Amino acid sequence: AQSVTQPDIHITVSEGASLELRCNYSYGATPYLFWYVQSPGQGLQLLLKYFSGDTLVQGIKGFEAEFKRSQSSFNLRKPSVHWSDAAEYFCAVVLTDSWGKLQFGAGTQVVVTP
Amino acid sequence: EAGVAQSPRYKIIEKRQSVAFWCNPISGHATLYWYQQILGQGPKLLIQFQNNGVVDDSQLPKDRFSAERLKGVDSTLKIQPAKLEDSAVYLCASSLDRENGELFFGEGSRLTVL
Repeated sequence: AQSVTQPDIHITVSEGASLELRCNYSYGATPYLFWYVQSPGQGLQLLLKYFSGDTLVQGIKGFEAEFKRSQSSFNLRKPSVHWSDAAEYFCAVVLTDSWGKLQFGAGTQVVVTP
Repeated sequence: EAGVAQSPRYKIIEKRQSVAFWCNPISGHATLYWYQQILGQGPKLLIQFQNNGVVDDSQLPKDRFSAERLKGVDSTLKIQPAKLEDSAVYLCASSLDRENGELFFGEGSRLTVL
């Protein structure tokens, strides 16, 4: 079955430490891949997306993600987190034959401690 | 540039009552989406409009949910009659067109059904 999996429901990280959020997908073809962030009481904001080309993608707010076809993964990273990075992060995919039908993972809640 | 506007932000109703949510997308965005986000889950697409036509409503519970975008601009999502399991945040999003992978989300309308 087609699915997007975010294995970590909740991650706690110290301010200044590095962060990596995992995302795995299960589709017959390589989908287009996205990471969104949702701060409390806010709508979702696009951090970055991967369509093709360089497998290391740079996004906003200092985030990057790496697409690994062999592992069906699209993990999100940030070298040094800030307290403002506390939020929920969603990985999402879309197939080119169903544009706009983003399928989201369940999300990872990130808590940043002083 | 104004973002996606949604109202009301919060709504509490009794089961079997009706409710309506309104969305005004970013000006010039042809594609409009309604997503349902149940607590602890990622958003799930309910319906997608391209201008004033429905592109995908395969996951819309049509026995109780309806949506329209009559003039190809703003949209209304209605639930009648509401069930307890409809308690969720209803997110509206828009994009320039279907092939543009960046969706812009509103802050959502939180529905509680008692």
